[in-house]
Amino acid sequence: GAVVSQHPSWVICKSGTSVKIECRSLDFQATTMFWYRQFPKQSLMLMATSNEGSKATYEQGVEKDKFLINHASLTLSTLTVTSAHPEDSSFYICSAILRDYHKGTDTQYFGPGTRLTVL
Amino acid sequence: EDQVTQSPEALRLQEGESSSLNCSYTVSGLRGLFWYRQDPGKGPEFLFTLYSAGEEKEKERLKATLTKKESFLHITAPKPEDSATYLCAVQAQNQGGKLIFGQGTELSVKP
Repeated sequence: GAVVSQHPSWVICKSGTSVKIECRSLDFQATTMFWYRQFPKQSLMLMATSNEGSKATYEQGVEKDKFLINHASLTLSTLTVTSAHPEDSSFYICSAILRDYHKGTDTQYFGPGTRLTVL
Repeated sequence: EDQVTQSPEALRLQEGESSSLNCSYTVSGLRGLFWYRQDPGKGPEFLFTLYSAGEEKEKERLKATLTKKESFLHITAPKPEDSATYLCAVQAQNQGGKLIFGQGTELSVKP
């Protein structure tokens, strides 16, 4: 249980184009999902919190007009990198919260990541 | 400020050589401390959650423990397939489930 998928697993695009990455919780519903980016040999950097049915909350320094997040259902969140440039090349990872209402716990389960390369 | 520090940054072991990874944390109201394993080019894989000091959890060759200031991930008789980066993260109260990650410990186990 608690499987999160991402699509695509890798994408190469030209500078100036937009790229959409999907994150799905396959066997549970997730009111909250998160988007991270990770540079080589570094830890995960939180970009934004995605809440179903409401606007995403972005971390300081993350451009909300460049990284558009839509959480239209309890199992799907999308990240669109608009007008991508080479500096946007990175490893993007999503996570979804599995909430145990009985224990009162929230556990983040991560997707496999998407490697974005902008030429 | 909530903070997580992991040590060492890198650890090289021989197969069968047991050791421990450290995660020191400061957080205003700990809701949970999480351990993940991350293989190169993949997303983190959930291992354990610890909620209160004195708690311990085990999974195969891994055992996680928690005190009020730090957590240890003990690896007993490691195998080459245990090679990965191990990430520690804390979740604070009233933060909507956000995690604050340490920089990770890159473990290499040689046969």
